[in-house]
Amino acid sequence: DTAVSQTPKYLVTQMGNDKSIKCEQNLGHDTMYWYKQDSKKFLKIMFSYNNKELIINETVPNRFSPKSPDKAHLNLHINSLELGDSAVYFCASSQGLAVRNTQYFGPGTRLTVL
Amino acid sequence: QQQVKQSPQSLIVQKGGISIINCAYENTAFDYFPWYQQFPGKGPALLIAIRPDVSEKKEGRFTISFNKSAKQFSLHIMDSQPGDSATYFCAASRLTGGGNKLTFGTGTQLKVEL
Repeated sequence: DTAVSQTPKYLVTQMGNDKSIKCEQNLGHDTMYWYKQDSKKFLKIMFSYNNKELIINETVPNRFSPKSPDKAHLNLHINSLELGDSAVYFCASSQGLAVRNTQYFGPGTRLTVL
Repeated sequence: QQQVKQSPQSLIVQKGGISIINCAYENTAFDYFPWYQQFPGKGPALLIAIRPDVSEKKEGRFTISFNKSAKQFSLHIMDSQPGDSATYFCAASRLTGGGNKLTFGTGTQLKVEL
């Protein structure tokens, strides 16, 4: 009965490769997010989608391309991976866009770029 | 530019003691102030949240104190327990570009010792 799930949990890859992280939520939420947590544990929003439409794009390099095939899924594709992309990536979801709606986070995907 | 400043970076408290984490914000457009708790290897989870028109909110052993004029808020954990050992993030939420943007503080690593 996992609410927000991500695959894979760990991803180790070489510089220059392309990789994808998948996210699914079974909460029936309309809004989904991607966050990046760096080595100092700082959490920063990357993207937000509402009903499959991009709402927030936080000046993320265009090597990062989110895709939302339906309201329950938000995938993150990363091209030409760089060392600085190493981080933990969290997917989250909320019921709508209101600021007081709780965001529910997935377990994270630890990406290591060698 | 760190819009939500959090201190201390780490905190050690004896079991049964009070843990206090402080946050300050700059942007008066923030309209909701949640606290998230993160255990190692897990995603952040909402702990407690407060609206800016309320000065205090209590849920069990957790209390948020909010000072709108000073643009500061804090989390108090009463009767701290070893199970409370985790990283705590304050956050501030606002609407931007039609989306709910959550800005996190830098996190406080709490350790509760026996």
